[in-house]
Amino acid sequence: DAGVTQSPTHLIKTRGQHVTLRCSPISGHKSVSWYQQVLGQGPQFIFQYYEKEERGRGNFPDRFSARQFPNYSSELNVNALLLGDSALYLCASSLDLPYEQYFGPGTRLTVT
Amino acid sequence: KQEVTQIPAALSVPEGENLVLNCSFTDSAIYNLQWFRQDPGKGLTSLLLIQSSQREQTSGRLNASLDKSSGRSTLYIAASQPGDSATYLCAVTPDRGSTLGRLYFGRGTQLTVWP
Repeated sequence: DAGVTQSPTHLIKTRGQHVTLRCSPISGHKSVSWYQQVLGQGPQFIFQYYEKEERGRGNFPDRFSARQFPNYSSELNVNALLLGDSALYLCASSLDLPYEQYFGPGTRLTVT
Repeated sequence: KQEVTQIPAALSVPEGENLVLNCSFTDSAIYNLQWFRQDPGKGLTSLLLIQSSQREQTSGRLNASLDKSSGRSTLYIAASQPGDSATYLCAVTPDRGSTLGRLYFGRGTQLTVWP
């Protein structure tokens, strides 16, 4: 079975632009979570979705938004990019809450 | 707010040594604890998951223990190999409320095993 997949792998954007990151969970998993990992730090929770409903939001500004589609895939949107948004964005899926989470390879976002 | 601390921040050892990585958390109301491995620039690979009712889990050369009441976990790596070089992250999941299901991570221990 395929694991969690994320696209794109790498992305370079300019300050002020918008970005959309995508995630496909493991087949059968209904929960998707997003994390931001800045270099040298542990991942920080951004959003969690379960059965297409938002179940949690971390301490991130309103420039960050997300949604989950009927097929349980998800996208993370970031508006008005700042240099500080440069990070590895990780997606994780789980069968249900609060079960074991499985991570994708991440999307490396660089904002210049 | 749950805070997770990992000690040491970095560790460099010769091949063959037995290692202990430490993780502590401030709120003992957890559902489970996971240990992850992360290679540079890559995603996270789950190594071991310990449910709150368990004391330890083992997988090959890895053994993780959990003392929930004292807010501590250790990851023991036996007979370390150069291929074990990576960053090891500890994460806990709260067992209640609006934070149910989200992971709180430590900053990780960067391990280097040299031949």
